[in-house]
Amino acid sequence: GNSVTQMEGPVTLSEEAFLTINCTYTATGYPSLFWYVQYPGEGLQLLLKATKADDKGSNKGFEATYRKETTSFHLEKGSVQVSDSAVYFCALSFTGGGNKLTFGTGTQLKVEL
Amino acid sequence: NAGVTQTPKFRILKIGQSMTLQCTQDMNHNYMYWYRQDPGMGLKLIYYSVGAGITDKGEVPNGYNVSRSTTEDFPLRLELAAPSQTSVYFCASNLGGEVSETQYFGPGTRLLVL
Repeated sequence: GNSVTQMEGPVTLSEEAFLTINCTYTATGYPSLFWYVQYPGEGLQLLLKATKADDKGSNKGFEATYRKETTSFHLEKGSVQVSDSAVYFCALSFTGGGNKLTFGTGTQLKVEL
Repeated sequence: NAGVTQTPKFRILKIGQSMTLQCTQDMNHNYMYWYRQDPGMGLKLIYYSVGAGITDKGEVPNGYNVSRSTTEDFPLRLELAAPSQTSVYFCASNLGGEVSETQYFGPGTRLLVL
């Protein structure tokens, strides 16, 4: 079956540090890939997505590139802020069949002053 | 546009009790989903629906039931609550169709079964 593996957290960084959260996937075929973010006490919201190989998704300074050869979709940000503290989920889905999402376990990010 | 709304926000149940978690969306989305989120885990799909009158099981459907009588509403029913159902439940919706669109999530319902 399909699966998503993320690096374990928590990840603790100082403000303005560089962020990488690793995500790899296992799937038959070529899924769409997503990063969702969950702020404390809230539901998930889409951060960025990529629908085909070599696509780069970007939003709010975050970026991730769909790498077919390494089955990866690592999340990066050049300079994190305290307000980026949240849990980040990598996910995949296939068009059709209900567009169901398969999630990774999430990575908690804590950014300190 | 309220998006996806869920009620209640928090509930405590005794073992064996039943309850319905409500979910409503006002975006005219065809697809709706129920997930549960356990501590330190990702979200697991319980049930989903691709339109009114159509529902299907997800990864962890045991102990739950759903119905979809309208496009807007997708209630989740817990019968005979068990401690293993202590979790945070999220409802989500998706426009659906041939393109994999963004899922929009509600704020969640925190359920504690004692």
